Amino acid sequence: EEQLVESGGGLVQPGGSLRLSCAASGFTFSSYWMHWVRQAPGKGLVWVSRINIEGTPKYADSVKGRFTISRDNAKNTLYLQMNSLRVEDTAVYYCAREKGPIVHFDYWGQGILVTVSS
Amino acid sequence: SYELTQAPSVSVSAGQTASITCSGDKLGNKYASWYQQKPGQSPALVIYQDTKRPSGIPERFSGSNSGNTATLTISGTQAMDEADYYCQAWDSNTHVVFGGGTKLTVL
Repeated sequence: EEQLVESGGGLVQPGGSLRLSCAASGFTFSSYWMHWVRQAPGKGLVWVSRINIEGTPKYADSVKGRFTISRDNAKNTLYLQMNSLRVEDTAVYYCAREKGPIVHFDYWGQGILVTVSS
Repeated sequence: SYELTQAPSVSVSAGQTASITCSGDKLGNKYASWYQQKPGQSPALVIYQDTKRPSGIPERFSGSNSGNTATLTISGTQAMDEADYYCQAWDSNTHVVFGGGTKLTVL
């Protein structure tokens, strides 16, 4: 059974850093493009970043230069390094598996809360 | 940047048909997907590639996409269908874009 489990969230002060992890199981992780999507409290879904199977990243303008997506195929794990965090980055962060060739997401993690506050 | 627009809320009586729309410039030239999100849960895919249903999704869920509007239709709406629904598309510039979400209330 395919499963995605996020970890690493928590409370951090503005300007601080946090690294999220997403452990994948039940499928060949290295064969899939992976994404991070976030949802601020009471708000909608917002795409954050994606990484292809070669490790090439892409970012939303709102996080470009501050967030770094990466993957370790040997560990079946997706990461999101978040630096220079802002209050507006407060959200539940989901990792999601892309099912191609038309981009959509067939599996999602349970989400992890990141709170940026002083 | 590319944007998708959804009505904030839609109400439907149980057993009736609910239509949730998603608007975007020439959206019919792209592919739309739809996700259902119940309170406290992760989003779940209900329609992809405009009209296709993943395994396990009831037949009462269907989709269409033409012109500037994609539509998610729920026939014979049940109380369990009450949730937030998000459309999603891919754009070469914006990459992945979601609509703002529609809260479906089943009366």
